[in-house]
Amino acid sequence: GENVEQHPSTLSVQEGDSAVIKCTYSDSASNYFPWYKQELGKGPQLIIDIRSNVGEKKDQRIAVTLNKTAKHFSLHITETQPEDSAVYFCAASYSNDYKLSFGAGTTVTVRA
Amino acid sequence: NAGVTQTPKFRVLKTGQSMTLLCAQDMNHEYMYWYRQDPGMGLRLIHYSVGEGTTAKGEVPDGYNVSRLKKQNFLLGLESAAPSQTSVYFCASSQTGGNTEAFFGQGTRLTVV
Repeated sequence: GENVEQHPSTLSVQEGDSAVIKCTYSDSASNYFPWYKQELGKGPQLIIDIRSNVGEKKDQRIAVTLNKTAKHFSLHITETQPEDSAVYFCAASYSNDYKLSFGAGTTVTVRA
Repeated sequence: NAGVTQTPKFRVLKTGQSMTLLCAQDMNHEYMYWYRQDPGMGLRLIHYSVGEGTTAKGEVPDGYNVSRLKKQNFLLGLESAAPSQTSVYFCASSQTGGNTEAFFGQGTRLTVV
């Protein structure tokens, strides 16, 4: 089955700086790569996703890049703000799959 | 628009006791999931359902049972709780499986003493 590895496990950044989280996946058939944000005491919520037919996707201060050849994808957060402090999960799946395979999560702390 | 609702939000059990966690979704989704979240281990799939009346095992099914008698509800049961089942449990639903957005409940924090 799919194995998703996520790094780093914790990330501390100064407010206004950028944050980057990287994930690798094992199954070359995977073609859907979402990112979820989990705020304290809440369930994960989708913030951005990318499918394998594109290499990059942006939504305001967040962007995701995908390298299918190397089987890795990354989340980029620019101009970080205190409300970006949360746990972020990457995930992967393929067409007709019933489930997502999640990475272990990255705890992001934005220092004021 | 409630989305996915889990009850209860917190529970403390003694070893050997049983309990049922309830998940309800109002989005008419076909797929429903139960995950557990433990520090450093991400979200691990316990059981899932691809439609009313169906259930299947995920990555870590031992010690749990599930039922989906109605499309909107997915129940997770612990027949004889063990300390290793201390965790935060999340229910999720999606319209067409792993290739679309999953909507999560707020979680149930379970402690087994």
